[in-house]
Order: sequence, then C-alpha cells, then structure tokens
Amino acid sequence: EDKVVQSPLSLVVHEGDTVTLNCSYEVTNFRSLLWYKQEKKAPTFLFMLTSSGIEKKSGRLSSILDKKELFSILNITATQTGDSAVYLCAVEGGRGGGADGLTFGKGTHLIIQP
Amino acid sequence: DTEVTQTPKHLVMGMTNKKSLKCEQHMGHRAMYWYKQKAKKPPELMFVYSYEKLSINESVPSRFSPECPNSSLLNLHLHALQPEDSALYLCASSLIRAIHSGNTIYFGEGSWLTVV
Repeated sequence: EDKVVQSPLSLVVHEGDTVTLNCSYEVTNFRSLLWYKQEKKAPTFLFMLTSSGIEKKSGRLSSILDKKELFSILNITATQTGDSAVYLCAVEGGRGGGADGLTFGKGTHLIIQP
Repeated sequence: DTEVTQTPKHLVMGMTNKKSLKCEQHMGHRAMYWYKQKAKKPPELMFVYSYEKLSINESVPSRFSPECPNSSLLNLHLHALQPEDSALYLCASSLIRAIHSGNTIYFGEGSWLTVV
C-alpha cells in the first residue's frame, strides 16, 4: 500500500520567514510526486516532480525530489499571509495502467502571522 | 486553461433520495477521477476512468455509481447514502502519459454534499 508522510502537520511563522515542508513516501512503481495548495476549496496544483535532484521553481516557491531517499521538500521564501493554507503532498504510483490516481499525505497546515 | 467544472457546488439530500454530481472538462484529458474529502482530511481516491472506461474502483460502496458518458463528462450517481457520506466530492482530470511519466492532475472546485 502506498504511503505518504508529511511533516510538520502544522506550522506557524511570521510574515517574511522562510519555511520548509517535508514529504516522505513509499510507493510501488513511483511515477511522480505532486504538491498542492488547498485553502477552503479544491487543491491547486503547484509542482509535479519526476526526476531526482532537479529543482522546480515558481516565484517564491520551490521544490526538489530525492528519489534515492524517497523524500521531497517544498520551500517558501519571504512568506506572505496569502500563503496560509494546507499544503498537500501526493504521489502517483504505477499500477500498470495509464492513469493511477494519487495517494495524499495528511498535509501541512501553514499559518503566516502578520 | 486548466478548468474542471463541477455542479452543483452544494447539495443536501435525504437518505432515500437519488441525486447526481456532474463534472466537465474541455482540456482534452482522457483520465478523470472522483475523490472524496472529509473535513480536515486529505482527498481519498474513489474512481479512475481512463479513455472513458472505469479502470480503478477503490472498493467504493455501490451506493456510489460513476458514469463517464464521453471524454469530457463524468458523473457520480448517488443513491441511499448515509450521513457519514457527507463530504466534499472532488472531480479531477489529467492527460494519460507513458507509464514512466507523471500525470499532472487538476481538480475542480468540488461539490459539498450533506446527507440528512
């Protein structure tokens, strides 16, 4: 059974701080790891990572995957109150089909205080 | 455009009712998904359709019946639900890439279901 563990489960920081969110996984036939941001509605896609050691970057957010250690991190620099959300890590494991769905971690609830 | 549209946004139904949730995408995606999300929990996969055929059913009770009429539409038919089925139901879609590539999965806004 595929497993995704995120840490910390909750985090409170001040505006301007840098945060690092962690995600470890165990999955059969790894295909990809995805990060989502969820506020009070549907998850919003941030990154998909398939290759080890290649950083994906979008503005103040960046993420990297370590396929040897089965680990990914999501970094947010110069945090803003609008970054407050639940950040979900998910993995897609290959069951042999073309589309396999995602297994999610429990999420990190990030609160940015002004 | 990465839009997945779900209707209705909110639904209240009795335990003896029959209702349906609808999902539509026009991105040319050939995989569509239903997820269930309870409060303060992550989404859980229910069903996957690949090329309009049901490819994954995560042991979902038969009171939930999915249907994929064409490559753009996905329905979830609901019958004889229980109060514990109250949740946010998320539809998602993606391309279908080669087995060694990942699929970027985009979610709709969700349908909030309350069973009374």
